Amino acid sequence: GENVEQHPSTLSVQEGDSAVIKCTYSDSASNYFPWYKQELGKGPQLIIDIRSNVGEKKDQRIAVTLNKTAKHFSLHITETQPEDSAVYFCAASTDYGQNFVFGPGTRLSVLP
Amino acid sequence: DTEVTQTPKHLVMGMTNKKSLKCEQHMGHRAMYWYKQKAKKPPELMFVYSYEKLSINESVPSRFSPECPNSSLLNLHLHALQPEDSALYLCASSQDSSNSPLHFGNGTRLTVT
Repeated sequence: GENVEQHPSTLSVQEGDSAVIKCTYSDSASNYFPWYKQELGKGPQLIIDIRSNVGEKKDQRIAVTLNKTAKHFSLHITETQPEDSAVYFCAASTDYGQNFVFGPGTRLSVLP
Repeated sequence: DTEVTQTPKHLVMGMTNKKSLKCEQHMGHRAMYWYKQKAKKPPELMFVYSYEKLSINESVPSRFSPECPNSSLLNLHLHALQPEDSALYLCASSQDSSNSPLHFGNGTRLTVT
């Protein structure tokens, strides 16, 4: 089955700097890769996603890149703000079944 | 605020109690999910309902019993739980059973004493 690894497990950056979180997956059939942000006391919220027919997607300060050959995808946050502090999960899924496999998470702290 | 509503927000129950968790969405989504999340871990899939039929049961113990009364509602009935079942229980929905984004509720924090 699918296995998703995520690095780093914790990340501290200064406000205004960029943050990058990387994930790798094992199942070459995976074709949908969402990123979720989970703040304390809340459920995960989708922040950006990418499908396998696209190499990069951007939404304001957030971007995701996908390398299908290497089976890895990354989240890029530019101009970080304290409200970006949260746990971020990457995930991967395939067309068959409906089971998103989540990475173990990255705790991002943005220091003012 | 999330468009998936879960009640209650917090629940404390003894091992002999019977309780239910409730989830509601009005986005017209046809797939609904229960996830369990332990502290500092990612969500783990428990059940998937697709068009009101149970499509995935990830080998969950029978003390957890899901129910989907209609396309907008999802329940999780709890009976004879163990302390290790204490966790955040998340409900999610998606447009259908293919690769569409999950929309999570804010969860029910369950403590089993």
